Amino acid sequence: LAKTTQPISMDSYEGQEVNITCSHNNIATNDYITWYQQFPSQGPRFIIQGYKTKVTNEVASLFIPADRKSSTLSLPRVSLSDTAVYYCLVGDAPGNTGKLIFGQGTTLQVKP
Amino acid sequence: GAVVSQHPSWVICKSGTSVKIECRSLDFQATTMFWYRQFPKQSLMLMATSNEGSKATYEQGVEKDKFLINHASLTLSTLTVTSAHPEDSSFYICSATIGEWGTEAFFGQGTRLTVV
Repeated sequence: LAKTTQPISMDSYEGQEVNITCSHNNIATNDYITWYQQFPSQGPRFIIQGYKTKVTNEVASLFIPADRKSSTLSLPRVSLSDTAVYYCLVGDAPGNTGKLIFGQGTTLQVKP
Repeated sequence: GAVVSQHPSWVICKSGTSVKIECRSLDFQATTMFWYRQFPKQSLMLMATSNEGSKATYEQGVEKDKFLINHASLTLSTLTVTSAHPEDSSFYICSATIGEWGTEAFFGQGTRLTVV
């Protein structure tokens, strides 16, 4: 499972766009990139998953360059409720192995 | 989306006693579930893989005799912390997947265990 590196913490203000970048230099050909969000005292929640290029859903976008050695989670117009820890994970899709190895995550603090 | 439920949400127990935590997949069958532990201000650490109808697979450094896992049905896995001690106090989280390649993992809400 590829190791990931992401900033430990980030601050933002309400209404701003937040971009969190994750490095995964050793990503394998069949690896997917998945981001999870975790609020205090709750289990993580799936945000978005991608393999290459750009993926967008109702809550976020995921940008993956051609070499796939990094990825960027983009949260548009954040609100106070987006304050959470965001984890970037790389590996076989959950259905294959199911084992998720979490890195340190990025603690996002959204200020009013 | 799919729902994974844990029970209890929190539990306080005396040192030396055992505590059982349940993890249920409410609207899908899960042949495999996973148990994680999370200490304050730290990331999730995978403890073990729970396999329906067979023995669990434990990660390196996790005592299988202390953390008993049973996956007796396709919708229920249990984690029993035996002879709990204060250092076992932590946030325990389970997860399950529906099994398709490329799908997400669904997590329970977690169980806060405090051993006094």
